[in-house]
Amino acid sequence: KAGVTQTPRYLIKTRGQQVTLSCSPISGHRSVSWYQQTPGQGLQFLFEYFSETQRNKGNFPGRFSGRQFSNSRSEMNVSTLELGDSALYLCASSLQGAQETQYFGPGTRLLVL
Amino acid sequence: SQQGEEDPQALSIQEGENATMNCSYKTSINNLQWYRQNSGRGLVHLILIRSNEREKHSGRLRVTLDTSKKSSSLLITASRAADTASYFCATDPPGGGGNKLTFGTGTQLKVEL
Repeated sequence: KAGVTQTPRYLIKTRGQQVTLSCSPISGHRSVSWYQQTPGQGLQFLFEYFSETQRNKGNFPGRFSGRQFSNSRSEMNVSTLELGDSALYLCASSLQGAQETQYFGPGTRLLVL
Repeated sequence: SQQGEEDPQALSIQEGENATMNCSYKTSINNLQWYRQNSGRGLVHLILIRSNEREKHSGRLRVTLDTSKKSSSLLITASRAADTASYFCATDPPGGGGNKLTFGTGTQLKVEL
């Protein structure tokens, strides 16, 4: 099976802009989670989607949002970008999401100037 | 926020030696997972140990879990240069549905020839 794919792999934006990142889970996986990784804060959970519904949410401001489509693909959106949003954004998928192994994609590296 | 700390933060050993990393966490868990990350890329799942298990093996990996001390250790035996990476523990809280992993701060392992 193909692994988790994320697009784009690299992105440069300026402050105030918005960005949309995409994640395609492993075929058959219905849970998709998003994580942010920065040198200062480490790996932090953003949110999880299952069957097109947000099931869990981390402690991030409302500028961070996401959605999941009927084919389980997911997108996350960050509006009004800030310098501190520069990070590696990782997507992970699992079958049902009920506390199982998560399989991570290669990530999207976002740089906000 | 980080669930806990990993110790040591960095570890440098010679090829063929064993590497031990420790992870401490703060709250009750359902399971604990270990991941590897190479140079800011995606995370690779290594092993999952459930809260009712005390030890688990997978190839050259041995994981222990002590829920009374809220700690886990990862042992890599007969290390290789290819094991050079950052290693993270991640916990999943009990109850509720879905995934919401909380990661530790990570241990940077360098295996020298």
